[in-house]
Amino acid sequence: GAVVSQHPSWVICKSGTSVKIECRSLDFQATTMFWYRQFPKQSLMLMATSNEGSKATYEQGVEKDKFLINHASLTLSTLTVTSAHPEDSSFYICSARDRLFSQTGANYGYTFGSGTRLTVV
Amino acid sequence: GEDVEQSLFLSVREGDSSVINCTYTDSSSTYLYWYKQEPGAGLQLLTYIFSNMDMKQDQRLTVLLNKKDKHLSLRIADTQTGDSAIYFCAETRGYQKVTFGTGTKLQVIP
Repeated sequence: GAVVSQHPSWVICKSGTSVKIECRSLDFQATTMFWYRQFPKQSLMLMATSNEGSKATYEQGVEKDKFLINHASLTLSTLTVTSAHPEDSSFYICSARDRLFSQTGANYGYTFGSGTRLTVV
Repeated sequence: GEDVEQSLFLSVREGDSSVINCTYTDSSSTYLYWYKQEPGAGLQLLTYIFSNMDMKQDQRLTVLLNKKDKHLSLRIADTQTGDSAIYFCAETRGYQKVTFGTGTKLQVIP
C-alpha cells in the first residue's frame, strides 16, 4: 500500500533556529501534499496545501513566511519552520494524496506520515 | 465552513462492541473516513465510505452513514486492548482538503 515517510520523528531546537521536516511518498507520486499541526489532545489543523511545482496554499492565520513549504518533486515536500519559538512546539504531520486519485477517481485515501514532534527550547 | 463533531471519550470492556459517532455539516461531502491515531504516531486509515453508500463492513469494522442526518458511525466488534487509540472521522469533497473531527479517545478495559 501507499507509504509516506516523514523525517525526523522528533527534533529539539533552540529558539531562533530553523528546522526542516521532510515528507516523502515512497511508492507513489503525490501531486498534492498537506501539512497539519496537532496540539496535545486536539484534532489536526490544516496549515497548508502543497502542490508540486507551484506555491503552497496556506490556511487563514498561518504565516507563510514562517512556515516555508517546498514541493519540488512528485515525491517530496518539505516544511521549514523558520526562526522557531517555543510556541511553535507541536506535532506536525504530513499527508499525501496519490496522483492516481485525481485521474481515476479511485480513492486511495490520504496517506499520513508518522509525524514530527518539534520542541523549541 | 465545514464542521465535524465527535464525542471526546468512550470506554468499553474488552470483547464488547464499540460505537464511535460523528456528525458533519457539509452536505457536499463525497468521501468520509475513519482514522486511528496511537500515541505519538501519525494517522492510520481504517476505512472509508462513499457518500452514496449506507454501510460498509470490513472485518471487525462496520461503518454506517446516514446522509440525511449527516451522521457517521464506526462500530468495532469484539473490541481488543490494541484498539485503544484516538479515532478521527474526516470528510472531503474529493479533490479538496480533508476536514477532521475532534477525535474520540477509545479506552478498552481488560
